[in-house]
Amino acid sequence: GENVEQHPSTLSVQEGDSAVIKCTYSDSASNYFPWYKQELGKRPQLIIDIRSNVGEKKDQRIAVTLNKTAKHFSLHITETQPEDSAVYFCAASNQAGTALIFGKGTTLSVSS
Amino acid sequence: NAGVTQTPKFQVLKTGQSMTLQCAQDMNHNSMYWYRQDPGMGLRLIYYSASEGTTDKGEVPNGYNVSRLNKREFSLRLESAAPSQTSVYFCASSTRQVLSEAFFGQGTRLTVV
Repeated sequence: GENVEQHPSTLSVQEGDSAVIKCTYSDSASNYFPWYKQELGKRPQLIIDIRSNVGEKKDQRIAVTLNKTAKHFSLHITETQPEDSAVYFCAASNQAGTALIFGKGTTLSVSS
Repeated sequence: NAGVTQTPKFQVLKTGQSMTLQCAQDMNHNSMYWYRQDPGMGLRLIYYSASEGTTDKGEVPNGYNVSRLNKREFSLRLESAAPSQTSVYFCASSTRQVLSEAFFGQGTRLTVV
C-alpha cells in the first residue's frame, strides 16, 4: 500500500525565516496531496492541497510543490510567525483514491 | 453546522473491556474514516467507508471493527481493549466524487489500563 515519508520530524526557525517540509510517497497512482496543520490539543485542519495535474500552488505565505517523477512534494512557509508553530502533516491518496495516508508529522517551532 | 462529532471525548477502559466510539457528520459526505494518532507515529488509518454500505481496512485494522450505520454515522468498536490501543482516535469525513478535504472530529482520547 501507499507509504508516505515526511522530513524533518522537528524544525525550529526564527520569526521571519522560511520553513520547508518535505514528503515522499510510494504509489505512483496517488493523485491528491493535502497538508494539514494541527495545533496543540486541536483537530487537524487543511491548509493547502495540490492535485497531480498541477506542479505548484500558492496561498499567501504558504506554497506546495509537487514533483511527480520523483514522487515527492514539499510545503513552503515564508515569513514565519509564532502562530505558525504547530504540527504539520502531509498526506497522499491511496491507490484507489478512496482514503488519505499521512506522514508522521513535523513539529514546527517559530521563535520570536 | 456541527461538522463531524465524536463521542465520547475521553474514556478510560480496563484491559479486556469493550466499547464503541461514535462518529456522525452532517455535511452529507459519502466517505468516512477512522484514524489513530500516537506520538511520533502521525495519523494512521484504521478503517474507512468510501460509501454507505461499504467498509475497508486501512493500515492498522487489527483489534477493531467498524459499522457504517447510515450515511451520517460511522462507529468504531474495540471488542477486547488492550493497552496498545491507548491513543487519540479521530473520525473524519470527505466527499467521494473526487477525494478532497477530510474534515476531522475533535478526537477521542482513550486510555486502556
